[in-house]
Amino acid sequence: ETGVTQTPRHLVMGMTNKKSLKCEQHLGHNAMYWYKQSAKKPLELMFVYSLEERVENNSVPSRFSPECPNSSHLFLHLHTLQPEDSALYLCASSPLRVETPYGYTFGSGTRLTVV
Amino acid sequence: AQSVTQPDIHITVSEGASLELRCNYSYGATPYLFWYVQSPGQGLQLLLKYFSGDTLVQGIKGFEAEFKRSQSSFNLRKPSVHWSDAAEYFCAVTGGATNKLIFGTGTLLAVQP
Repeated sequence: ETGVTQTPRHLVMGMTNKKSLKCEQHLGHNAMYWYKQSAKKPLELMFVYSLEERVENNSVPSRFSPECPNSSHLFLHLHTLQPEDSALYLCASSPLRVETPYGYTFGSGTRLTVV
Repeated sequence: AQSVTQPDIHITVSEGASLELRCNYSYGATPYLFWYVQSPGQGLQLLLKYFSGDTLVQGIKGFEAEFKRSQSSFNLRKPSVHWSDAAEYFCAVTGGATNKLIFGTGTLLAVQP
């Protein structure tokens, strides 16, 4: 149990489908993140939410739409994805500043396959 | 620009041998440095971190890392590797004004019996 829970663990979707990834934390953290991890590529920071407000969007295509309804939950809504979007999507949370004992806490990820 | 370099993509060591994974960073301000480990299909687990003070930091699972400002390095070490240490290891850096972590590309560790 890492403290950050991601569902589903695996997802296969067609290019015309709409699906959502969910992330939940009850660590009292106020910042949450979405990362994309593709084979043979560095971890890519997609979105940053601080106090439920999006503070960073790293040129992510509009087919990825994040939502942070409260400080404990983060969603990533997916629609009309491409095969190259297949990857492991990792959620993380942290206190507002990283000067704390534990830094980021990561979930186990959602393995997404776009067919 | 802020960056982290892990020059070794793959490393293979024998069980019981010592291990050193290299990490070099580029950061304009005082860096905060982290090592994470990722087992297959899993998220990243924090091994250890450096914020300030003693430049040799101890982490979980018998790992340690040494911060060398003059070399801009934060290498991870373990005196005796176990088969269960086979995983991918990521070095990361951030700074005081931001909580955005910059990751290296990772080093995949294989352990031979």
